[in-house]
Amino acid sequence: KAGVTQTPRYLIKTRGQQVTLSCSPISGHRSVSWYQQTPGQGLQFLFEYFSETQRNKGNFPGRFSGRQFSNSRSEMNVSTLELGDSALYLCASSRPPGTGVTDTQYFGPGTRLTVL
Amino acid sequence: AQSVTQLGSHVSVSEGALVLLRCNYSSSVPPYLFWYVQYPNQGLQLLLKYTTGATLVKGINGFEAEFKKSETSFHLTKPSAHMSDAAEYFCAVINSGYSTLTFGKGTMLLVSP
Repeated sequence: KAGVTQTPRYLIKTRGQQVTLSCSPISGHRSVSWYQQTPGQGLQFLFEYFSETQRNKGNFPGRFSGRQFSNSRSEMNVSTLELGDSALYLCASSRPPGTGVTDTQYFGPGTRLTVL
Repeated sequence: AQSVTQLGSHVSVSEGALVLLRCNYSSSVPPYLFWYVQYPNQGLQLLLKYTTGATLVKGINGFEAEFKKSETSFHLTKPSAHMSDAAEYFCAVINSGYSTLTFGKGTMLLVSP
């Protein structure tokens, strides 16, 4: 079974631009979560989607947004990029909630975003 | 609220030595606990998890962890380190019914020959 895929793997943008990152979950997984990883703050939760609905959101400004499509693929968007948005953005997928097992999250390789 | 503390941002061992990475958690309800490993320029790979049942959990690559409720700990061990174990290790907690992982700051494991 194919794992979580994320595209692109690397991105370089300049301040003020916007960026869209994509995540395809493991087949059969319908929950997708996004995390930001930086050296200073570590791994921080951004948001989680299930059935095209945002279920949870972390403590990030409104410049960070996301969505999920009917095939469970997800995108996240960051508008008006700032230098501090430089990070590794990780996507994780899990089985639908309520399947009787804690939703183990499986991570993709991440997208490395550099903001200049 | 839940939180995870990993003692030691860096741990150095010699090849063949015991690996011990410490993780303590705080949770108001019985937690589910995970260890993930991250190799350079890669995502997180699940090593092992504790949900319910047996408190000693075995994972991949010879790692295991023991859930100790009285000590609120979930330390990761491996009897004999290998050079390929050099990576960053993250402990994480999640509450049953929720989908948000809370991670520790990570511990970089350095293995010397």
